[in-house]
Amino acid sequence: GEDVEQSLFLSVREGDSSVINCTYTDSSSTYLYWYKQEPGAGLQLLTYIFSNMDMKQDQRLTVLLNKKDKHLSLRIADTQTGDSAIYFCAESTLGGGSYIPTFGRGTSLIVHP
Amino acid sequence: SQTIHQWPATLVQPVGSPLSLECTVEGTSNPNLYWYRQAAGRGLQLLFYSVGIGQISSEVPQNLSASRPQDRQFILSSKKLLLSDSGFYLCAWSRGPGELFFGEGSRLTVL
Repeated sequence: GEDVEQSLFLSVREGDSSVINCTYTDSSSTYLYWYKQEPGAGLQLLTYIFSNMDMKQDQRLTVLLNKKDKHLSLRIADTQTGDSAIYFCAESTLGGGSYIPTFGRGTSLIVHP
Repeated sequence: SQTIHQWPATLVQPVGSPLSLECTVEGTSNPNLYWYRQAAGRGLQLLFYSVGIGQISSEVPQNLSASRPQDRQFILSSKKLLLSDSGFYLCAWSRGPGELFFGEGSRLTVL
């Protein structure tokens, strides 16, 4: 079955760049996502990338996809304390008429002054 | 605009008691609906999803059940809760390919 792996913790200094990495196993993945979860809240979609793309940039966020290695990363430039949260990587393929995402365990990003 | 409401936000239940968590979506029609559980230190586990009224798919065998009595209503239930049912339950909806919109979650503690 599908599997999505990501490290559990990342600590960075305010103003530095953060890079959160993710690997997945399903070679037929069509969409790959990054979600953000703040404490006690639901998840919010940050960005997503189609599997035929290598890179997507959206303001401070840069997503890189290495399809050969099944590796996805999220770079946050100029990380702020408000970026502290859990970041989930997810992938989805079409199955049963629906794209149902499979999520990783989430990476807790801690931003310190 | 579309909104998703989930309640109750927090509940504490004794072992063996029933459970009902409700989720409603507004501003869209025929959404795909999902129930996820997030246990401490673990990722999101898909429990149920539904592509239409009365159509429920279960991903894992468990003590829980789901129902979709109306197009935009999704209910998670249990007849008798177990300690292992404790967790953070998230309802979500989607129209497009996998872009999920989550509710604020329901934290269940079974004692």
